[in-house]
Amino acid sequence: AQSVTQPDIHITVSEGASLELRCNYSYGATPYLFWYVQSPGQGLQLLLKYFSGDTLVQGIKGFEAEFKRSQSSFNLRKPSVHWSDAAEYFCAVVGSYNTDKLIFGTGTRLQVFP
Amino acid sequence: DVKVTQSSRYLVKRTGEKVFLECVQDMDHENMFWYRQDPGLGLRLIYFSYDVKMKEKGDIPEGYSVSREKKERFSLILESASTNQTSMYLCASRIDRGNSPLHFGNGTRLTVT
Repeated sequence: AQSVTQPDIHITVSEGASLELRCNYSYGATPYLFWYVQSPGQGLQLLLKYFSGDTLVQGIKGFEAEFKRSQSSFNLRKPSVHWSDAAEYFCAVVGSYNTDKLIFGTGTRLQVFP
Repeated sequence: DVKVTQSSRYLVKRTGEKVFLECVQDMDHENMFWYRQDPGLGLRLIYFSYDVKMKEKGDIPEGYSVSREKKERFSLILESASTNQTSMYLCASRIDRGNSPLHFGNGTRLTVT
């Protein structure tokens, strides 16, 4: 069965530092991959998505993610974090076994210190 | 922009009550979803719907039912609320099946006492 693992429950960075949030998926073929962000008290907002083609995808708010098939990973990065990036981040996968279901990781909470 | 509106931000209900959570989307999306979100567990799919009057069980349907009488509205029903259903409930919609992204509402925080 498809699954998504976000190994870091909580990450703390200083404002201006670089950021990488890890995501590993379990799936046999090329998956459809997403990153969502949830600000406090809000629903989830799509940051970026990968379906095929260029393995480095750009998203909103200066985020990017790189699909690495050999490592079954889709890590999210940002070169310089802003205090407003403090939120919870979710990686998700849609597999072709059932393309109707989006499977989410357990999330990574990002804290940003000034 | 797609707007997904959940009728209540906060609800407090008593054990055994029948609870309705309402969700409306304004973009004529085919698919709608109900998730619950709990700390450390991420989002878990309760039910989803491909189209009007159609529904499919997700991963944790026990204790819940749904209704989709109109395309824009998807209701989650707790037939007899229990304390273990205290959670954040998120509704989402997307234009069709496959790889189109989900659009989420802001969530309903339900407390069952």
